[in-house]
Amino acid sequence: AQSVAQPEDQVNVAEGNPLTVKCTYSVSGNPYLFWYVQYPNRGLQFLLKYITGDNLVKGSYGFEAEFNKSQTSFHLKKPSALVSDSALYFCAVRDNIGQNFVFGPGTRLSVLP
Amino acid sequence: DADVTQTPRNRITKTGKRIMLECSQTKGHDRMYWYRQDPGLGLRLIYYSFDVKDINKGEISDGYSVSRQAQAKFSLSLESAIPNQTALYFCATSGRDFYYNEQFFGPGTRLTVL
Repeated sequence: AQSVAQPEDQVNVAEGNPLTVKCTYSVSGNPYLFWYVQYPNRGLQFLLKYITGDNLVKGSYGFEAEFNKSQTSFHLKKPSALVSDSALYFCAVRDNIGQNFVFGPGTRLSVLP
Repeated sequence: DADVTQTPRNRITKTGKRIMLECSQTKGHDRMYWYRQDPGLGLRLIYYSFDVKDINKGEISDGYSVSRQAQAKFSLSLESAIPNQTALYFCATSGRDFYYNEQFFGPGTRLTVL
């Protein structure tokens, strides 16, 4: 069965500092990994995905994520946080056996001025 | 115009009432999904449809039903609403190569059942 864990409910970071939002996963087949962001009163927006290839994936708004197969992790990163990055972030996984996405519980990121 | 739209955006109803949430998309995608979001639980899949004649139950389908009226329209019904169905509901779509493709989400419907 597929599962996703986001071990931190809340991440606080000062503006200008690097940020990391953690995600670990469990799948039976090859993992396909996704990050989405949800701003208040909005639907989820796609940020980036890992399908195959380079372990470092670059996405929208300056975000990137590092796939680590041995640690079954896909952490979201940004070198310099902005106040406007404050939002709810979801990690999701699907494999080449299951039919659908499984989402993590979400991590609320607060970037403080 | 938004690619995935949901109506209504907000709804307050009473226990026992029948409610329909509607979703329309202009992305031309075959696959459509209904999720509910509860704080701390992430998104949980209610129903999904891979084409007009293909409807499948998700993780939490009890108390819900769906109708795929056309490729572009996918409705979610609560036949007899109960308070623990109070949640934020999202419709999503994805393209045919679904292992690789991300989903596109509507803006959500906030449903409150009193």
